[in-house]
Amino acid sequence: QKEVEQNSGPLSVPEGAIASLNCTYSDRGSQSFFWYRQYSGKSPELIMFIYSNGDKEDGRFTAQLNKASQYVSLLIRDSQPSDSATYLCAVRGNNRLAFGKGNQVVVIP
Amino acid sequence: DAGVIQSPRHEVTEMGQEVTLRCKPISGHDYLFWYRQTMMRGLELLIYFNNNVPIDDSGMPEDRFSAKMPNASFSTLKIQPSEPRDSAVYFCASAFSSGLYQETQYFGPGTRLLVL
Repeated sequence: QKEVEQNSGPLSVPEGAIASLNCTYSDRGSQSFFWYRQYSGKSPELIMFIYSNGDKEDGRFTAQLNKASQYVSLLIRDSQPSDSATYLCAVRGNNRLAFGKGNQVVVIP
Repeated sequence: DAGVIQSPRHEVTEMGQEVTLRCKPISGHDYLFWYRQTMMRGLELLIYFNNNVPIDDSGMPEDRFSAKMPNASFSTLKIQPSEPRDSAVYFCASAFSSGLYQETQYFGPGTRLLVL
């Protein structure tokens, strides 16, 4: 079982809609969870982190964590064309980050 | 701050040649990470250092790969000899630790390596 799994294929959403991304992880002892955004040909950049169960909102982004079910999700509200990118879920354990393979989001104007 | 600096940005080499990738972390950061990214395998951690000391190199694929951090402001990742399957984007990232926790990792622009 992979440490961090992002199984959804490319996600196409119309501009202004909500994009929803999911991620599951295998290490029940994981404490810190991150979402990175990566534009094509660029390096990953952090957009959200969450440590506690529940929701955390930052502007148009909301991260949701459920440790009992071992999943973390990211919602992007009012999606904009500039949100078109690959979103990487990362989970920290033992001072190292394990990344999922990412979900590509395409926002259609 | 200039952020994490990597060089070269692009490298094309022939199989069997030695490749050296360089990284300058953000000043004051005490963690440095080397990652490799491919379409097939995603972003994989190769090795990381804390205060210039290698902590976990379990992700280094084989003995052809080696990494050093001679001081707080410089690290190298060397591949000798290189093979076509080493073609990937190699990222360096750095982070600062506060107490028990490591803060956000900041990634460099990456080195795009193509081994022919």
